[in-house]
Amino acid sequence: RKEVEQDPGPFNVPEGATVAFNCTYSNSASQSFFWYRQDCRKEPKLLMSVYSSGNEDGRFTAQLNRASQYISLLIRDSKLSDSATYLCVVNGLFNKFYFGSGTKLNVKP
Amino acid sequence: DVKVTQSSRYLVKRTGEKVFLECVQDMDHENMFWYRQDPGLGLRLIYFSYDVKMKEKGDIPEGYSVSREKKERFSLILESASTNQTSMYLCASSQQDTEAFFGQGTRLTVV
Repeated sequence: RKEVEQDPGPFNVPEGATVAFNCTYSNSASQSFFWYRQDCRKEPKLLMSVYSSGNEDGRFTAQLNRASQYISLLIRDSKLSDSATYLCVVNGLFNKFYFGSGTKLNVKP
Repeated sequence: DVKVTQSSRYLVKRTGEKVFLECVQDMDHENMFWYRQDPGLGLRLIYFSYDVKMKEKGDIPEGYSVSREKKERFSLILESASTNQTSMYLCASSQQDTEAFFGQGTRLTVV
């Protein structure tokens, strides 16, 4: 079983839409959680950390459910510039980062 | 501004060559990582290091070795390059329990 599982998509949505990505992780001892964004042929970059109480950064909201081992990312009012691959990341034992395979988002005009 | 720098953006090497990929970070991070990224497989951890001269195998260490002689530098070595090692290689660094910062990636082609 993979450490982190994501729906690969692609998600094709119109501008202005709300879109949600989900992710599950297998290690209940995981301590830190993140969403990264990766543009085509570029390195991943941190979008936001995910906290137990949930957190929001502008149009982006991240949620963590430790009981279900589930992480989500909600993007409101999608922009063309949001088109990218979104990676769910879990930090486990020995500070090793485990990455989901990514969910591709295409925002269309 | 945080910076992780990989020595090459693109490399083409021949089968059987010994290949060195270099990574330098300027953030005084303890932890450094090497990943490879392939379509449909995501990022897979090759090796990581949590201190100078310390190294741990990741999920796919076969055919690779690493060296960390100084805190800021983490090298990935392909002892004898093979075509199935053609990939995008990403170096990252982090402090304990904080996010990872990535280099720009090295796209390696083995012919």
